[in-house]
Amino acid sequence: GNSVTQMEGPVTLSEEAFLTINCTYTATGYPSLFWYVQYPGEGLQLLLKATKADDKGSNKGFEATYRKETTSFHLEKGSVQVSDSAVYFCALNDNAGNMLTFGGGTRLMVKP
Amino acid sequence: GAVVSQHPSWVICKSGTSVKIECRSLDFQATTMFWYRQFPKQSLMLMATSNEGSKATYEQGVEKDKFLINHASLTLSTLTVTSAHPEDSSFYICSARLERGAQETQYFGPGTRLLVL
Repeated sequence: GNSVTQMEGPVTLSEEAFLTINCTYTATGYPSLFWYVQYPGEGLQLLLKATKADDKGSNKGFEATYRKETTSFHLEKGSVQVSDSAVYFCALNDNAGNMLTFGGGTRLMVKP
Repeated sequence: GAVVSQHPSWVICKSGTSVKIECRSLDFQATTMFWYRQFPKQSLMLMATSNEGSKATYEQGVEKDKFLINHASLTLSTLTVTSAHPEDSSFYICSARLERGAQETQYFGPGTRLLVL
């Protein structure tokens, strides 16, 4: 079956630090890959996505590149802000049943 | 972007009562909606896939008689937790699938926090 593995949190960084949250996946075929963000007290929001190998998704300074050879979709940001503090979920859609499979979530805490 | 709403945003109920949660796609039609459950400090687990005009498809381990899903229209799906018990306390999130040509994206509702006393 499909699975998504992401690094356990919490990840604590100082403002303006570089962020990497690792995500690897197992899936049949050619899945689409997503990063969702959940701010405190809110629901999930789509942060970025990539639908095929070597695609780079980007939004709000965050980036992730679909690496089929390493089955990875690591989330990066060059300079985090306090407002980026949230839980980040990596997910895949196998484009068959169209349901999402989520990783366990990584809590990011950014300190001033 | 596309908007999905949920109502209520939070509910407290007594054990044994039933609770209905609504999920609406506000500015698009969704033939497929999904219901997820999120336990504290854990990821989201898919409970069921809700298809307009047909029966929902439940994931393994989810009791369909306890979690009743009705997708009555292209903009509304409801989840009813019947005879709720404290172990049903959780954060329930729905999503609606938007199809634009070959592109499909799921948009999530803000979630409903259920506390069963």
